[in-house]
Amino acid sequence: QKEVEQNSGPLSVPEGAIASLNCTYSDRGSQSFFWYRQYSGKSPELIMSIYSNGDKEDGRFTAQLNKASQYVSLLIRDSQPSDSATYLCAVNERYSTLTFGKGTMLLVSP
Amino acid sequence: EAQVTQNPRYLITVTGKKLTVTCSQNMNHEYMSWYRQDPGLGLRQIYYSMNVEVTDKGDVPEGYKVSRKEKRNFPLILESPSPNQTSLYFCASSLLGGGRYEQYFGPGTRLTVT
Repeated sequence: QKEVEQNSGPLSVPEGAIASLNCTYSDRGSQSFFWYRQYSGKSPELIMSIYSNGDKEDGRFTAQLNKASQYVSLLIRDSQPSDSATYLCAVNERYSTLTFGKGTMLLVSP
Repeated sequence: EAQVTQNPRYLITVTGKKLTVTCSQNMNHEYMSWYRQDPGLGLRQIYYSMNVEVTDKGDVPEGYKVSRKEKRNFPLILESPSPNQTSLYFCASSLLGGGRYEQYFGPGTRLTVT
């Protein structure tokens, strides 16, 4: 059984700080990695995808991938209260099938 | 606007009364999938489809049926709903080619079975 592990949180950070969210995965053959943001009662929204080792930046978001360590992270710079949500890590298992972690709740306090 | 739509958004029903939740996407995606989300259990895949007339079981298929007669539509059928199928359901779709498997989700259907 492929597994994707995330700390459930909550991760609490003050407004303006950097939030760091982490994810580990079990399948060494995984090739595609995604971060989704989910507000309570809403659908997951894709915010970052990463396919090769290293960093990928998009605005305030940076995804980091280390395949040797089977580790994916998401950094959110200048965190805002509107970033308060649950962040889901997803890993491509086969074809388009994704395995999701259970998510990390992020709370950004004003 | 590129999107995945689901209907109904909210549904309250009784045990044993057959129901269908529709899912449609306008992005010409080959891959479509159904998930349920329950507190503490995360997103669990019910069924998926890689193209028309091609469907396969996910992690929790018991009690559900699907069909894929058209590329854009992927309905979820509960022939005899039970209270343990009370959940938040999401449909998602993605392309299959090019190694890029970003899935896009519909708005969700909150189902209550009494």
